[in-house]
Amino acid sequence: EAQVTQNPRYLITVTGKKLTVTCSQNMNHEYMSWYRQDPGLGLRQIYYSMNVEVTDKGDVPEGYKVSRKEKRNFPLILESPSPNQTSLYFCASSHREDYGYTFGSGTRLTVV
Amino acid sequence: GENVGLHLPTLSVQEGDNSIINCAYSNSASDYFIWYKQESGKGPQFIIDIRSNMDKRQGQRVTVLLNKTVKHLSLQIAATQPGDSAVYFCAETPSNTGKLIFGQGTTLQVKP
Repeated sequence: EAQVTQNPRYLITVTGKKLTVTCSQNMNHEYMSWYRQDPGLGLRQIYYSMNVEVTDKGDVPEGYKVSRKEKRNFPLILESPSPNQTSLYFCASSHREDYGYTFGSGTRLTVV
Repeated sequence: GENVGLHLPTLSVQEGDNSIINCAYSNSASDYFIWYKQESGKGPQFIIDIRSNMDKRQGQRVTVLLNKTVKHLSLQIAATQPGDSAVYFCAETPSNTGKLIFGQGTTLQVKP
């Protein structure tokens, strides 16, 4: 089944403890992207990648890192999480820029 | 700045009626537009897309209209069903980028 898989689905962590949210797609898509969704603010892009080893900042990149060492994986790294990074995170992938993104099921992160 | 906005946060319709959800965008460089549906607890799901060289595109029970003159996008859902109840987002992609910019979303409530 063609899909974007995120792990974990739920995560509670403490301030300052490094964490990684994994994202993997099995559709051989070039483009991958991370979003956070917050009430009243909608979906905002954190980082995106147009190909292996090519990443760029979205609208809210502060406090996040990404890497794209291989086509299928695009992990989101929080080196020192803070409570304002408590949010619902989505990973997505697409065949090309003018093609609809397929989204994962989301990761709900709580930083205490 | 770059922003895609929806005119109404909530739309309530009777089952069987037609629904129209509106969206305004501000980035003239955007050349690809998408409507997504998000059900509770799930990631956004692609509904329909349209490129800037078109002004109308039809799918199954859905139609997207694009008016580039006034930077307006709309989603029409025919014979709205209870399963259509969800949050609907419009999104835009500026040309030659991997960016996907979302509007704030409209919650569609379908009354039986």
